[in-house]
Amino acid sequence: ETGVTQTPRHLVMGMTNKKSLKCEQHLGHNAMYWYKQSAKKPLELMFVYNFKEQTENNSVPSRFSPECPNSSHLFLHLHTLQPEDSALYLCASSHGRVLAGGPKDTDTQYFGPGTRLTVL
Amino acid sequence: AQTVTQSQPEMSVQEAETVTLSCTYDTSESDYYLFWYKQPPSRQMILVIRQEAYKQQNATENRFSVNFQKAAKSFSLKISDSQLGDAAMYFCALGDFGNEKLTFGTGTRLTIIP
Repeated sequence: ETGVTQTPRHLVMGMTNKKSLKCEQHLGHNAMYWYKQSAKKPLELMFVYNFKEQTENNSVPSRFSPECPNSSHLFLHLHTLQPEDSALYLCASSHGRVLAGGPKDTDTQYFGPGTRLTVL
Repeated sequence: AQTVTQSQPEMSVQEAETVTLSCTYDTSESDYYLFWYKQPPSRQMILVIRQEAYKQQNATENRFSVNFQKAAKSFSLKISDSQLGDAAMYFCALGDFGNEKLTFGTGTRLTIIP
């Protein structure tokens, strides 16, 4: 369970604060993801990065700003959040786009433990 | 648009018994993957089993097996010889071939009764 790590594990912030979530993967993957998990709702994909390039932005409000400096690290910068943004934020990684003759589990995503965010 | 439906918000099973979790999906793609993920309380989500849509044979992983009915767009998970450690939220997910996006269901909370 240490292939994908996330820090911090818990975060409480006010609506005017600025904070960042960090994700690191040690699996040699090329794709990284941010998901939002709220109670009784399906996981919501927020962002996808492939080889450090953002390939998906699922209509996420601009108060969430992702950053992917390299294939192993992913950040989610938070500012002026709302109470409804309180949720579990999950990071995941995978090998990325299917390559000819690529690994068998190219499309399997491996998840981190998440950051439990509370916005007051 | 892809959808994944898990119609059982909660299930319970006696330890050592067998339980089946339901999942139906909808997609217009012909090539895709299906997954079952397990999320134990306060622990991270892990892959339980995956199925490639082009494979007719149902995937199995030890006590976990699936019943994949492509025409019916059904993908149920069977857990045999249930153990206390199987207690978790189980999520069904659908992914396109060559596309990183996964569509998840709302999950089924499985309780194991000792």
